[in-house]
Amino acid sequence: AQSVAQPEDQVNVAEGNPLTVKCTYSVSGNPYLFWYVQYPNRGLQFLLKYITGDNLVKGSYGFEAEFNKSQTSFHLKKPSALVSDSALYFCAVSEPSGGGSQGNLIFGKGTKLSVKP
Amino acid sequence: DTAVSQTPKYLVTQMGNDKSIKCEQNLGHDTMYWYKQDSKKFLKIMFSYNNKELIINETVPNRFSPKSPDKAHLNLHINSLELGDSAVYFCASSPSRVGTQYFGPGTRLLVL
Repeated sequence: AQSVAQPEDQVNVAEGNPLTVKCTYSVSGNPYLFWYVQYPNRGLQFLLKYITGDNLVKGSYGFEAEFNKSQTSFHLKKPSALVSDSALYFCAVSEPSGGGSQGNLIFGKGTKLSVKP
Repeated sequence: DTAVSQTPKYLVTQMGNDKSIKCEQNLGHDTMYWYKQDSKKFLKIMFSYNNKELIINETVPNRFSPKSPDKAHLNLHINSLELGDSAVYFCASSPSRVGTQYFGPGTRLLVL
């Protein structure tokens, strides 16, 4: 069965420092991988995705993620964190092609990012 | 111009009642979804709807039923509400089954 793991419940970073939010996945076939961000009392906003091609994916708000097939990871990164980046971050994998559940997103449990001034 | 909208934003109701949540997307997408986010923020797919094909997550009680009057709308009807139905319900849409999904703002349901 497909699954996504976000091993950290919370990540604390000082403003201006680089940040990493970890994600590993387990999926049969080639994965479609996504990162979403949820601000308090808001919906999910799409940040970036990996479908194929370059392993380093650039997304919104200066975020990027690196796809590592051998480690089955898709960690989210940003070179310099902002206080406004504080939010809940979700990694997700899309059900692979074929089958009725194709396209359904399977989410990790979420990682709370806290950026302090 | 909200891409994916949901109404109502908040819904407080009594156990046993029947309620509906509406979702509309103006993106011209072909596929729509309903997700449930529980109190621990865990997100789980409930339904996906594509070209009149409904795929139901087998763990969803049959008290929940999606209804799509047209391609731009996927409403969620819930019968005989239970305390455990309290959650945030998110609608999403995507251009295809494997496209990026765009989420609505969520409907916060509280069952008393």
